[in-house]
Amino acid sequence: NAGVTQTPKFQVLKTGQSMTLQCAQDMNHNSMYWYRQDPGMGLRLIYYSASEGTTDKGEVPNGYNVSRLNKREFSLRLESAAPSQTSVYFCASSESVFSGNTIYFGEGSWLTVV
Amino acid sequence: TQLLEQSPQFLSIQEGENLTVYCNSSSVFSSLQWYRQEPGEGPVLLVTVVTGGEVKKLKRLTFQFGDARKDSSLHITAAQPGDTGLYLCAGYNFNKFYFGSGTKLNVKP
Repeated sequence: NAGVTQTPKFQVLKTGQSMTLQCAQDMNHNSMYWYRQDPGMGLRLIYYSASEGTTDKGEVPNGYNVSRLNKREFSLRLESAAPSQTSVYFCASSESVFSGNTIYFGEGSWLTVV
Repeated sequence: TQLLEQSPQFLSIQEGENLTVYCNSSSVFSSLQWYRQEPGEGPVLLVTVVTGGEVKKLKRLTFQFGDARKDSSLHITAAQPGDTGLYLCAGYNFNKFYFGSGTKLNVKP
C-alpha cells in the first residue's frame, strides 16, 4: 500500500540552487497537490492539478513551478532556492477536487535552504 | 486567502481529561475536514462535515460544523496518550482546501 510517495525525504540546498521534488500516487486519483508546512502556519497550497494536463496556482505559488507528468506523477521545482523556501513539503492526491473527497498525503520532504 | 483560526495552539492535558479544539473563520465553507498529523508523517483524515449544524462521532471524538458553516469544533472525551498529535481543520471552497494552523495536543499518561 504505497499511496503517495515523495522523494527526496531530506535535502539541503544552497541559495540559488535548483531542485525538483518528485511525487507519485498509485491510487488512480485525478487530482494532485503540493503543500508546504511551516511552524504556526499550517499547510498552505502551492499548486494543484485538478486532472491530468492541468495545473493551477494555490495560495503561495511564487518561486515554484510544477509539472503533471502523467496521471500518477506531479513534480515541484524550485528554480532558484531561497532561505524563505525552507519548509516541509507535502504532496497529496484525491479522487477529484470536489468537496468531500479525502486528501491522501505523502510523508513529507524536509527542505533546508542555506 | 480564506483564513481558518484554530485554538488553542497548544494543549497539554492528563490522560482521562476532556478537551475541545476550535476552528473559526469569517468565510463560509462548502465542507470542512479534520485531520490528525503525527511527527514525521503526513496528515490523515478523521472526518468530513458538510451540512450546517452537523454532528459526527468517531469513537471518543465528536465533530460539529457550525450552523453558518463558518466554524467547527472537535471534542475528545477521556483523552488517551494515543490521541497525541497535531489536529488540523481544513475548509473547502473553489476547488481548494484551506488549512488552519493546527492545535498541538499532548496527552500525558
